[in-house]
Amino acid sequence: EAGVTQFPSHSVIEKGQTVTLRCDPISGHDNLYWYRRVMGKEIKFLLHFVKESKQDESGMPNNRFLAERTGGTYSTLKVQPAELEDSGVYFCASSQRWGDGYTFGSGTRLTVV
Amino acid sequence: GENVEQHPSTLSVQEGDSAVIKCTYSDSASNYFPWYKQELGKRPQLIIDIRSNVGEKKDQRIAVTLNKTAKHFSLHITETQPEDSAVYFCAAKIGTNAGKSTFGDGTTLTVKP
Repeated sequence: EAGVTQFPSHSVIEKGQTVTLRCDPISGHDNLYWYRRVMGKEIKFLLHFVKESKQDESGMPNNRFLAERTGGTYSTLKVQPAELEDSGVYFCASSQRWGDGYTFGSGTRLTVV
Repeated sequence: GENVEQHPSTLSVQEGDSAVIKCTYSDSASNYFPWYKQELGKRPQLIIDIRSNVGEKKDQRIAVTLNKTAKHFSLHITETQPEDSAVYFCAAKIGTNAGKSTFGDGTTLTVKP
């Protein structure tokens, strides 16, 4: 089966610009998660979708971040406007309906300059 | 919310030696504890997990132990090999089925040949 796919793998943008990250989960996985790792620290939770619904968005740092999951398939995470502290690696993960363990994507390394 | 601390942050061992990584968690309601391995340039991958009703789980050269009373769990790798070199993340999750996990900061393990 195809794994979790993230696009782009790298993105360098200027402060104030907009960036949209995309995640394609494993087909049939209802659960989709976004995480972020900043400066070698922990992999920090952003939000959790169950199908197209936001189950938990308690980790979203502020209203500059907007996540969507169209039709319960792929998901996008938009950062607008980007700030320097948004730099980091953004991971997407998915799991089965009743699954605990995640399958991660390779991540998008975002650099805001 | 849940807080997970992971130690050490870096660990260097000689090939063939054992490696131990320890994590503590704060919320006694946590009941699922996965470990992920991230090799350089690759995605984090689930390597072993343990649930709160089990004290120890083993899979070939890796094992995980859980002490619910002390709220800590550990990853043990025996007979280490150079390909074990990676960043290892522990995590803790509250509740059953799907949901967010709280991760530790990661341990960079280097196995010297």
